[in-house]
Amino acid sequence: SQKIEQNSEALNIQEGKTATLTCNYTNYSPAYLQWYRQDPGRGPVFLLLIRENEKEKRKERLKVTFDTTLKQSLFHITASQPADSATYLCALDNQAGTALIFGKGTTLSVSS
Amino acid sequence: GAVVSQHPSRVICKSGTSVKIECRSLDFQATTMFWYRQFPKQSLMLMATSNEGSKATYEQGVEKDKFLINHASLTLSTLTVTSAHPEDSSFYICSASDPGDTEAFFGQGTRLTVV
Repeated sequence: SQKIEQNSEALNIQEGKTATLTCNYTNYSPAYLQWYRQDPGRGPVFLLLIRENEKEKRKERLKVTFDTTLKQSLFHITASQPADSATYLCALDNQAGTALIFGKGTTLSVSS
Repeated sequence: GAVVSQHPSRVICKSGTSVKIECRSLDFQATTMFWYRQFPKQSLMLMATSNEGSKATYEQGVEKDKFLINHASLTLSTLTVTSAHPEDSSFYICSASDPGDTEAFFGQGTRLTVV
C-alpha cells in the first residue's frame, strides 16, 4: 500500500533562515503532490501543487521540488518568519485518484 | 479559493449519544466530499468519501453503522457519530474540491470530546 513519510516531526530554525522539509513516498507513482499548512485546531490550507512532469514550483517565499526517481519532494520556506510556524503536510492522491492521503506532517517552529 | 464551512467547531457529548457534524461548500457545488479524522500528532486519516445522491464509500476499518454519512445536496454532507464512546474523541475534518480543481479545501474541523 502507499506510504508517505515526512522526515521529521519537528524542525526548529531561526528567523531569516531557510526551512527545508522532506516528503518521501513508496509503492506509488502519483500524478501530483501537494503541500498544506495546518495550524493547531484548524483544517489544512492548500499551499502548492506540483505535477509529476514538473521539477520545481515557486510561490512567493515557498518552493517545492519533485523528484519522481527518488520518490521525494522537498518544501522550502526562504527568509522564514515566526508566522510561518505551523505543521506542514505532504499529500498525494490515492491510487484510485479519488481522495488525498497525508503524511504525519512536520511541525516547524521559527524563533525570532 | 473555494470555501468549505464545518459546524460545530467544538462539541462535547455524553457516551451513548449521537453527534451530527455538518460540512457545507459555500461557493461551489461538490458532488464529492471527504471526511477525515485526526488524532493528536497523527496524520489525517481518510474515513469515507461522501457522494451526493448515493451511498458513501468507507475506508477499511471504519464502521459505516457508527459513522453515518448523508450527502443529500450538492453543498451539504453530514457525518453522524452514533452511540459515541470516549475513544471516538478526535478532530474530524471534511474537505471538498471544486470540480476541475485538484486542490482540496478543508473545513475548520470539529473537535469532538465524548465524556
